[in-house]
Amino acid sequence: AQKVTQAQTEISVVEKEDVTLDCVYETRDTTYYLFWYKQPPSGELVFLIRRNSFDEQNEISGRYSWNFQKSTSSFNFTITASQVVDSAVYFCALSEAGDDKIIFGKGTRLHILP
Amino acid sequence: DSGVTQTPKHLITATGQRVTLRCSPRSGDLSVYWYQQSLDQGLQFLIQYYNGEERAKGNILERFSAQQFPDLHSELNLSSLELGDSALYFCASSVERGGFTEAFFGQGTRLTVV
Repeated sequence: AQKVTQAQTEISVVEKEDVTLDCVYETRDTTYYLFWYKQPPSGELVFLIRRNSFDEQNEISGRYSWNFQKSTSSFNFTITASQVVDSAVYFCALSEAGDDKIIFGKGTRLHILP
Repeated sequence: DSGVTQTPKHLITATGQRVTLRCSPRSGDLSVYWYQQSLDQGLQFLIQYYNGEERAKGNILERFSAQQFPDLHSELNLSSLELGDSALYFCASSVERGGFTEAFFGQGTRLTVV
């Protein structure tokens, strides 16, 4: 069965600090996709990244970086030099190849304090 | 802008009533997914349609139904509404039939049942 766990319910950091959001997933499939979404206070779901299970290369996009480790079933997200605009709820999600749904974690609410 | 359009953005209605939420997928996408985001349940998959046919069902109540029309837009019908149905309802679209490899959601419809 698929499962995504985001153990951190809420995190607060001061602006310019680095912050890492944890994500642990469970799946029996060898082919799957992992996602991160951002949900700002306005409510929409903003797609950040998708990785497939065969690509363990870490990715960096500006201040965002993602660390995918199959050995620990983790797909962690780091924001470097955080900004107030990064304040949002962040969701990690999983989809198995051939399945027809995406399973979301409960989300981590991130507060960036000025 | 994800290219997925949901209307209305906000909806307030009374218990016992029926509402219809509408979703227009991205151009060329054949799959439409509906998700419900509530405070206690998080983001939950409700149902998927592919090219007009129901493809997968999740935690969708019997009071809820959906359909996808020939022009590929989809509607989610919620009837006999209860206070607990108050939630943010998201639609997502994908070009694939199976496997959620595309990752774009609409802005959501916020339903408030009073």
